[in-house]
Amino acid sequence: AQKITQTQPGMFVQEKEAVTLDCTYDTSDPSYGLFWYKQPSSGEMIFLIYQGSYDQQNATEGRYSLNFQKARKSANLVISASQLGDSAMYFCAMRESRGSTLGRLYFGRGTQLTVWP
Amino acid sequence: DTGVSQNPRHKITKRGQNVTFRCDPISEHNRLYWYRQTLGQGPEFLTYFQNEAQLEKSRLLSDRFSAERPKGSFSTLEIQRTEQGDSAMYLCASSSIDSGITDTQYFGPGTRLTVL
Repeated sequence: AQKITQTQPGMFVQEKEAVTLDCTYDTSDPSYGLFWYKQPSSGEMIFLIYQGSYDQQNATEGRYSLNFQKARKSANLVISASQLGDSAMYFCAMRESRGSTLGRLYFGRGTQLTVWP
Repeated sequence: DTGVSQNPRHKITKRGQNVTFRCDPISEHNRLYWYRQTLGQGPEFLTYFQNEAQLEKSRLLSDRFSAERPKGSFSTLEIQRTEQGDSAMYLCASSSIDSGITDTQYFGPGTRLTVL
């Protein structure tokens, strides 16, 4: 089974509007971390935001916030006030905290976000 | 505080040749990771070092792949007898054990390999 599922291959949003990128995850580990990365066409993965499984509040970093719904195993990224420079591929990732896979991140297939003027 | 650097940025090789990539992590980071990303996919984990010890290897890392981190600083990833299926972006990331539970991985710009 997929550890991370991103069901939106592409999303379009007008500049200055908010957009939500979906992510669901699958784990039996009670302790895990969820990450969002941005990958512009240049290829570098840029860390955006982190949410721990035990965090009581949703994470926020500037215009980025993470809508964490633990019971539904979802960790959606919300970008407020979109900018043209937000156009990129966005990846959701998860790290589990025990067992033989301790170090690795599991990534989804990504969502291509296009911001139009 | 410089980021993760990778060299070369691009590599074109003929099938059957050996290639080696280098990754220099963020200076105070003791964990180093290699991932492979093919077109239209998210990165897939290959291997992970803590200092000079290779702690985890994916089943994706066939016998033709070897990674080293001899002094716990930079790392090299070698692919022997390259195949066309090895064409991908190879990403390196680093993190600090001192960052606690967050352990955020910071990525380099990647090395894009094309096998002809």
